[in-house]
Amino acid sequence: GQQVMQIPQYQHVQEGEDFTTYCNSSTTLSNIQWYKQRPGGHPVFLIQLVKSGEVKKQKRLTFQFGEAKKNSSLHITATQTTDVGTYFCAGPDTNAGKSTFGDGTTLTVKP
Amino acid sequence: KAGVTQTPRYLIKTRGQQVTLSCSPISGHRSVSWYQQTPGQGLQFLFEYFSETQRNKGNFPGRFSGRQFSNSRSEMNVSTLELGDSALYLCASSAGTGGSYNSPLHFGNGTRLTVT
Repeated sequence: GQQVMQIPQYQHVQEGEDFTTYCNSSTTLSNIQWYKQRPGGHPVFLIQLVKSGEVKKQKRLTFQFGEAKKNSSLHITATQTTDVGTYFCAGPDTNAGKSTFGDGTTLTVKP
Repeated sequence: KAGVTQTPRYLIKTRGQQVTLSCSPISGHRSVSWYQQTPGQGLQFLFEYFSETQRNKGNFPGRFSGRQFSNSRSEMNVSTLELGDSALYLCASSAGTGGSYNSPLHFGNGTRLTVT
C-alpha cells in the first residue's frame, strides 16, 4: 500500500534557528496536506498543495511540493516557541479512500 | 462556525467492555472520518462516513464500528475492549463530497480512551 515517510522524527532547535521537515511518498500524489499538532492538542490543517513545483508561504512557513509530486517540505524560518509541536504531512490514498499520514516530525524549541 | 465536537474527552474502561464515542461535525460538512492515534502507530484511518453511508474502511477488526445519522453526527463503537485499544480517537469532518482525502480535514479535540 501507499507509504508516506517523514524525516526527521525529532528536531530540537534553538529559538531563532530554521527548521525543515521532509515528506516522501511511495506513489505520486494528487495533493499533499500539512497539519500541526500542539502537545496535548489535535491536528490542525495548515495548507494543501496541488500543483507540481508549487511553493506557498504563510508568514515564516514555506511549503513546497516536488516537481514529481512525490515529495514535499515544510520550512520554518527563525523558529519561535509557538512553533513547538508535531508537523504531519498527509497524502491521498485513492485506492483505500483515505488520507495517509506520515509519522510526523516533532519540533522542540529552546528559548 | 463551531468546530468539530467530540464527546467525551476522556474515558477509562475495563477490558471486555464496550464504548461509544460521539462526534458532531462542522455545520454543513457531510463527511466524517475517524482516526486512531497512538505513539507507536501514528494516525491510523478507521473509517469514513458520508451521507449516512460508510464510504471507506481501514484495517481494523470488526470490533470497531460506526454510524452516521441524518444530521451528519457520527458515533464510533468499540466492543470487547483490549488493552491495545488505548489511544486518542480523533474525528475529522470535511466539506468535500468526492472523498475526504481531497479536502482539508478539520479535527475535533479527540477522545482519550484508556483501557485497563
